[in-house]
Amino acid sequence: QKEVEQNSGPLSVPEGAIASLNCTYSDRGSQSFFWYRQYSGKSPELIMSIYSNGDKEDGRFTAQLNKASQYVSLLIRDSQPSDSATYLCAVNNAGNMLTFGGGTRLMVKP
Amino acid sequence: DAGVIQSPRHEVTEMGQEVTLRCKPISGHNSLFWYRQTMMRGLELLIYFNNNVPIDDSGMPEDRFSAKMPNASFSTLKIQPSEPRDSAVYFCASSLSPAGHQPQHFGDGTRLSIL
Repeated sequence: QKEVEQNSGPLSVPEGAIASLNCTYSDRGSQSFFWYRQYSGKSPELIMSIYSNGDKEDGRFTAQLNKASQYVSLLIRDSQPSDSATYLCAVNNAGNMLTFGGGTRLMVKP
Repeated sequence: DAGVIQSPRHEVTEMGQEVTLRCKPISGHNSLFWYRQTMMRGLELLIYFNNNVPIDDSGMPEDRFSAKMPNASFSTLKIQPSEPRDSAVYFCASSLSPAGHQPQHFGDGTRLSIL
């Protein structure tokens, strides 16, 4: 079992819809969680961090964390074609580093 | 503020040649990471430095790979000799400490092609 798992997608949503991206992790001791967006041919770009159970909102993005169920999700409201990218989930591990999931490719269709 | 700076952006070289990738972390960041990204294996951590000291190099694929951080503002990743299977995008990232609890900021990457 991978330490951080994401559905590779592609996840296809129509413009204006809510995109829901999910991530599960195996280390119950993990405390820090990050979402990165990576456009094709570009580097990963941090979009959200979350450390406590519950929801954290930033503009059209909402990160949700449930430590008991060991999942973290990212919701993108009013999805735009410019949101089409690969979204990487990252979770801290016991070695004080981040473990990245394989990423979910999101396609927002006009 | 300047982000993480990597050079070169692209490198094409022949098998067997030495390749050196360079990275300048964000000023004030004391953790530095080298990653490799391929379609097949995704984003893989190669090595992690904290305060210029290598902390975890378990991701370095073999002895052909080496990394140094002589000071807080510069790191290199060297491959000698290079092989076609080393072709990938290599990213450098930096963060504040403690590394696992701070977001990492990535450079633009070096796209490496070994012929």
